[in-house]
Amino acid sequence: EDQVTQSPEALRLQEGESSSLNCSYTVSGLRGLFWYRQDPGKGPEFLFTLYSAGEEKEKERLKATLTKKESFLHITAPKPEDSATYLCAVPTTNAGGTSYGKLTFGQGTILTVHP
Amino acid sequence: DTEVTQTPKHLVMGMTNKKSLKCEQHMGHRAMYWYKQKAKKPPELMFVYSYEKLSINESVPSRFSPECPNSSLLNLHLHALQPEDSALYLCASSLYPWTSGGVNEQFFGPGTRLTVL
Repeated sequence: EDQVTQSPEALRLQEGESSSLNCSYTVSGLRGLFWYRQDPGKGPEFLFTLYSAGEEKEKERLKATLTKKESFLHITAPKPEDSATYLCAVPTTNAGGTSYGKLTFGQGTILTVHP
Repeated sequence: DTEVTQTPKHLVMGMTNKKSLKCEQHMGHRAMYWYKQKAKKPPELMFVYSYEKLSINESVPSRFSPECPNSSLLNLHLHALQPEDSALYLCASSLYPWTSGGVNEQFFGPGTRLTVL
């Protein structure tokens, strides 16, 4: 069964204090890994797609990386507006390796950045 | 236009009411999804529509009835809901529902906050 585990559950940072969020996964065949940002009461906002180990993507203060077992979301010099819940997700595949659109989400990391 | 829109933003209904949620996208995506999200939990998949046909129903109770009138619209009809159905209902879309290679990302709408009294 596909599993996604995120850590830590919550992270409090001071403005400018860089850190990383972890997403470890167990899937039969990775067909991509997605990172989303979600603000309270709103829908998840797409951030990144990573497909293969060694891949990296960047957007402003965020950088996502992928290994064969986990993904990291690095936050450099965060600002209070980066406070949100960060979700990672992987496509759930059947025994034949085909995904039919279902995503397995981690429980999320709640990030709070204090000024 | 990279936006998924949902209406209404908020909905309060009694257990005997019938209401509908609406979702729209104009990105040419051929897969659309309904998710339910409870507080402090990740989204849970309810339904997947692929090329306007229902392809996945995650054992959702029949009081939730999805409909896809065309490739841009997705509705969720609600009837005889229970208080435990109160949640944030999210619509999402992706370019294709599935591929045997990489999977394309899903884009979410802002959600409808549903309260069942």
